[in-house]
Amino acid sequence: DQQVKQNSPSLSVQEGRISILNCDYTNSMFDYFLWYKKYPAEGPTFLISISSIKDKNEDGRFTVFLNKSAKHLSLHIVPSQPGDSAVYFCAASEGRGSTLGRLYFGRGTQLTVWP
Amino acid sequence: NAGVTQTPKFRILKIGQSMTLQCAQDMNHNYMYWYRQDPGMGLKLIYYSVGAGITDKGEVPNGYNVSRSTTEDFPLRLELAAPSQTSVYFCASVGAANTGELFFGEGSRLTVL
Repeated sequence: DQQVKQNSPSLSVQEGRISILNCDYTNSMFDYFLWYKKYPAEGPTFLISISSIKDKNEDGRFTVFLNKSAKHLSLHIVPSQPGDSAVYFCAASEGRGSTLGRLYFGRGTQLTVWP
Repeated sequence: NAGVTQTPKFRILKIGQSMTLQCAQDMNHNYMYWYRQDPGMGLKLIYYSVGAGITDKGEVPNGYNVSRSTTEDFPLRLELAAPSQTSVYFCASVGAANTGELFFGEGSRLTVL
């Protein structure tokens, strides 16, 4: 009953290349999506988000794409750097500002960027 | 600026013992959350609070209790610890707009033997 799925537990990319992390969701009520980044022995930190009224949001080297019809989103990192090596969690909610206060997280993808 | 502070960082409990994980934030955030992360799994919501005096259950509340007597503090109580509660626990908070852009603590690693 995982409502947010990250089917690739790991991804290895060479420095300078593009990293593409994927996320699928099943709940059609989700309308706000976020990516978090987590280093070992630290808490997750917010990276980038996208509302369902958009299909793309960009912040520097990070771009998130949303395909609502496919219930799919992806995070692109260009160019990838060794410091990007971390676990990336996809998360979704039923509305930004909702007092339901609930984010649903995927299992995470371990990204390794090698020199 | 401390952000979200969790204590202890590590703890080993015996089955049946009880303990409290402490969480404090200094950002005057309304919303606070407790998540647990099991190996290879995403974060599961245990309890959350939308303000002082108001708490509610998340996805996996069994075996836990919370209280929110102040805006700053949101302790998580484990009663009668069980091996299934071995996990990493994260406290998080966000302001009144509840953008979903949570601020997380560094986590508390709990082992129940």
